[in-house]
Amino acid sequence: GAVVSQHPSRVICKSGTSVKIECRSLDFQATTMFWYRQFPKQSLMLMATSNEGSKATYEQGVEKDKFLINHASLTLSTLTVTSAHPEDSSFYICSAPASVSDTQYFGPGTRLTVL
Amino acid sequence: DAKTTQPTSMDCAEGRAANLPCNHSTISGNEYVYWYRQIHSQGPQYIIHGLKNNETNEMASLIITEDRKSSTLILPHATLRDTAVYYCIVRVRAGSARQLTFGSGTQLTVLP
Repeated sequence: GAVVSQHPSRVICKSGTSVKIECRSLDFQATTMFWYRQFPKQSLMLMATSNEGSKATYEQGVEKDKFLINHASLTLSTLTVTSAHPEDSSFYICSAPASVSDTQYFGPGTRLTVL
Repeated sequence: DAKTTQPTSMDCAEGRAANLPCNHSTISGNEYVYWYRQIHSQGPQYIIHGLKNNETNEMASLIITEDRKSSTLILPHATLRDTAVYYCIVRVRAGSARQLTFGSGTQLTVLP
């Protein structure tokens, strides 16, 4: 099946620093990618929709200036957590829809820990 | 997207079939039933999907009732590695540019 990768798989940073997470579709093109966040023992919650060549759309309550999204190409979307704080510690997951197989594929996730 | 209802948790003995139910009584005619699973600390993994016919692949079988108001995911010979949270999602084609909405899912624990 289609593969979506994320990098890094885990990152630990100090409070106030910025962290960039990459999401790549390895064998298909994705004009749209989705970013989810998952806190412990909770389900995935959509944060934003990344659109190639245009601005991302954010879910209610998600600060667009804090979570910067750039969809630079048809295979790459990045999420930058700016001025990270301990409450941003979470599991971040991206996904990309594949029209050929009529489903969505998820990356392995990035575990962010802010100290 | 139609609302789905799944049991919170289930246990299954290793080597036996795991049957995971999902109720979706408000499903529309153009909505598909998708199953994903999430093993601890990993991204969700696609399992199978169907519209109205039963489906089978190398991972599982999907049985959809004739009225489409419920479905069952069957893992024919569960292994310890099948321990995960299983999500039943009902929506129009997931290959389109819309997000998937995850409910609470069913925690399946395969016991040795």
